Amino acid sequence: DTGVSQDPRHKITKRGQNVTFRCDPISEHNRLYWYRQTLGQGPEFLTYFQNEAQLEKSRLLSDRFSAERPKGSFSTLEIQRTEQGDSAMYLCASSDRLHSSGEQFFGPGTRLTVL
Amino acid sequence: ELKVEQNPLFLSMQEGKNYTIYCNYSTTSDRLYWYRQDPGKSLESLFVLLSNGAVKQEGRLMASLDTKARLSTLHITAAVHDLSATYFCASPPGGGTSYGKLTFGQGTILTVHP
Repeated sequence: DTGVSQDPRHKITKRGQNVTFRCDPISEHNRLYWYRQTLGQGPEFLTYFQNEAQLEKSRLLSDRFSAERPKGSFSTLEIQRTEQGDSAMYLCASSDRLHSSGEQFFGPGTRLTVL
Repeated sequence: ELKVEQNPLFLSMQEGKNYTIYCNYSTTSDRLYWYRQDPGKSLESLFVLLSNGAVKQEGRLMASLDTKARLSTLHITAAVHDLSATYFCASPPGGGTSYGKLTFGQGTILTVHP
């Protein structure tokens, strides 16, 4: 079973450091999404890609956040100069445009703790 | 801006009882998704509802969609402890856009006790 995978699963960092997360979508899924979830809340959309094109970015995505999907396969999400408010679970999901349901499949998430 | 609201936010149920979780969304959409999340885990897809009047059942859970009322329900029948989790509904952008980002409700924390 090749579901969505994310790396690392946990990251502890000090305020001001940069962090990078990786997401590998389900093979051949051309859409890839990033969400952020804080404790007790539902996931909030950050950005999404169709193939290598970044089609939409949330206003939540400040200038310190950048995401890439250079070859239309895996994606990276980088947070520069981390702040304590960045502590959250970062979820990646993928979907296949060819299937009409639009269902998004989620990875296990990366839990970020900023000290 | 699309808003998705669930109620109740907290649900404490006795085993064997029935209950319904409601999900209202503010923008016309032809589909709705339900997910389950266990503590510290990611989201597991439960149901994909693709049209008005759609009804899907899996075990003790049944979901339905009324696009005219912009309402989806998740009905729990004869609850068992294993159903304890947080349940989210989510809607795509709507307004003719069926794909793209999902907007999630706040989640319903379900606890089933003996």
